[in-house]
Amino acid sequence: KQEVTQIPAALSVPEGENLVLNCSFTDSAIYNLQWFRQDPGKGLTSLLLIQSSQREQTSGRLNASLDKSSGRSTLYIAASQPGDSATYLCASTQGGSEKLVFGKGTKLTVNP
Amino acid sequence: NAGVTQTPKFRILKIGQSMTLQCAQDMNHNYMYWYRQDPGMGLKLIYYSVGAGITDKGEVPNGYNVSRSTTEDFPLRLELAAPSQTSVYFCASSYPQYYGYTFGSGTRLTVV
Repeated sequence: KQEVTQIPAALSVPEGENLVLNCSFTDSAIYNLQWFRQDPGKGLTSLLLIQSSQREQTSGRLNASLDKSSGRSTLYIAASQPGDSATYLCASTQGGSEKLVFGKGTKLTVNP
Repeated sequence: NAGVTQTPKFRILKIGQSMTLQCAQDMNHNYMYWYRQDPGMGLKLIYYSVGAGITDKGEVPNGYNVSRSTTEDFPLRLELAAPSQTSVYFCASSYPQYYGYTFGSGTRLTVV
């Protein structure tokens, strides 16, 4: 059974800082890993999708990496802004299945 | 292109009442899913479907039922509402393998 863990549970940083959010998973036989953003009381917005054959994906100030052998993914946010404040969720598929398994998220606060 | 549409956005039910949460997607995705999100617990899979006429249980199916008569629609039925079903419900859809999920905006349900 796939288990996804996100560390830290909460993170507070000053504006302009570069930061890394961590995600680990127990089953390396994944189809893909996806990072989402969730604002309070809102739905999930997909940020980046990394397919199992890929090592990283980039979108603007965001870069996500995938290391299946170690069961880890990181989300790198460059030059953080107050608008980046949200909860970031990591989710991966599990062994031969389409079903996504979610971590509990990292709540990010970027202080002006 | 609407993506995944969920209705209603909010609902208050009394214990023992029944209701159906609606979910529709216009992306011709084969796979559809229902998740619930509880504070501090992450998202848990309730039911999923790999195509019209095919459904299967997820991690937390008790108290719910689903049907999939068309590719576009995947309603979730609560037959006898209980306070434990107070949660935020998200519907999602995807293509099989290597492609990411698209989520609806959620339904916030309170059972009193």
